[in-house]
Amino acid sequence: DSGVTQTPKHLITATGQRVTLRCSPRSGDLSVYWYQQSLDQGLQFLIQYYNGEERAKGNILERFSAQQFPDLHSELNLSSLELGDSALYFCASSVRGAWDEQYFGPGTRLTVT
Amino acid sequence: GQQVMQIPQYQHVQEGEDFTTYCNSSTTLSNIQWYKQRPGGHPVFLIQLVKSGEVKKQKRLTFQFGEAKKNSSLHITATQTTDVGTYFCANSNTGNQFYFGTGTSLTVIP
Repeated sequence: DSGVTQTPKHLITATGQRVTLRCSPRSGDLSVYWYQQSLDQGLQFLIQYYNGEERAKGNILERFSAQQFPDLHSELNLSSLELGDSALYFCASSVRGAWDEQYFGPGTRLTVT
Repeated sequence: GQQVMQIPQYQHVQEGEDFTTYCNSSTTLSNIQWYKQRPGGHPVFLIQLVKSGEVKKQKRLTFQFGEAKKNSSLHITATQTTDVGTYFCANSNTGNQFYFGTGTSLTVIP
């Protein structure tokens, strides 16, 4: 158990819909990262937040957005969903920034039908 | 982007054999991290290398960072069935973006 929690574990939704994935970092960690893992794209960095502020942006689509709240939990919002968005979405946290070891949550498996 | 390529993509070994995965970059890396992901699981941090030529060991695992900081390797001695999983190298650039390699999937045949 990494100490990072993600909800829900599984999500099945239809194309065109919008979903919100939630992540609670380890106690004391200020950074939260979101990743997308699919068979054809591997593990892709989406975005990083540090203490409530966006720190770095990776391959995140414009249909996706995220935020980190004052209590440091984070949400990833995916809208206008397409079949290709079906993937495993991981949240990770670290004490400070990208040079730290990251602790990954169990992931949310999103299926878009 | 500062992306790393990993080889091989898949490796099947008999239990007790050694295993090595390699990470290569066309640009100099500031650091490299290694993660392991068990089937159905999430990536778990193994180690971080920062210095040129650095070698670190964890029991049967040996991690190396090349002298030019453009490549890295993970070597497992005498594999066990518990070593099964996908091994990823990863690095961050000055923009704080984080890149994972393509991964090497290790199967250990008992």
